[in-house]
Amino acid sequence: GAVVSQHPSWVICKSGTSVKIECRSLDFQATTMFWYRQFPKQSLMLMATSNEGSKATYEQGVEKDKFLINHASLTLSTLTVTSAHPEDSSFYICSAIDRGLSEKLFFGSGTQLSVL
Amino acid sequence: GDSVTQMEGPVTLSEEAFLTINCTYTATGYPSLFWYVQYPGEGLQLLLKATKADDKGSNKGFEATYRKETTSFHLEKGSVQVSDSAVYFCALRGYSSASKIIFGSGTRLSIRP
Repeated sequence: GAVVSQHPSWVICKSGTSVKIECRSLDFQATTMFWYRQFPKQSLMLMATSNEGSKATYEQGVEKDKFLINHASLTLSTLTVTSAHPEDSSFYICSAIDRGLSEKLFFGSGTQLSVL
Repeated sequence: GDSVTQMEGPVTLSEEAFLTINCTYTATGYPSLFWYVQYPGEGLQLLLKATKADDKGSNKGFEATYRKETTSFHLEKGSVQVSDSAVYFCALRGYSSASKIIFGSGTRLSIRP
């Protein structure tokens, strides 16, 4: 079945550094990918919608200069947390739509980011 | 705006017990409703869905019925197994929001042998 690979699964970084998270659709073309974040015991919150070849659409309250999203190909989207701070520590999950399967949504396994 | 509220966990049950995980929603119009499951170390997977009132979604012995009158979509299974241990997310996709999905906070389920 369709698989979405998300890497890394966890990362620890120092405050002020940038972290890049990759999301790949392994056996299908994903024209649209979504990025979510989840705080402990809270819902997955949609951060942005990423469309291949165009600028991402950010949800209200999400800083686009802080969370840079690039979707340069039909199988890869990246989320870069720039100048990370401890409050950015969270669980980040990507998902991708397989247009060939009636828009079925597939999820990556998530990335736990800890900023010291 | 649209929202999903689900039962807080963790929930711990013995094997073969009956499972209910409550989920209620707030939405305008007629949303589609989903249950996703996340097994340890894996991504979220669609477990079942229902797209209109009174629809019953079912998969792997799990069931949930779209109840518009109570705005609920409770997940049930008659006899759980150890392999059902996972985190379960209730979610909705609003009628006017294309593919944007709103999730509940997740319920961690642990099944004892």
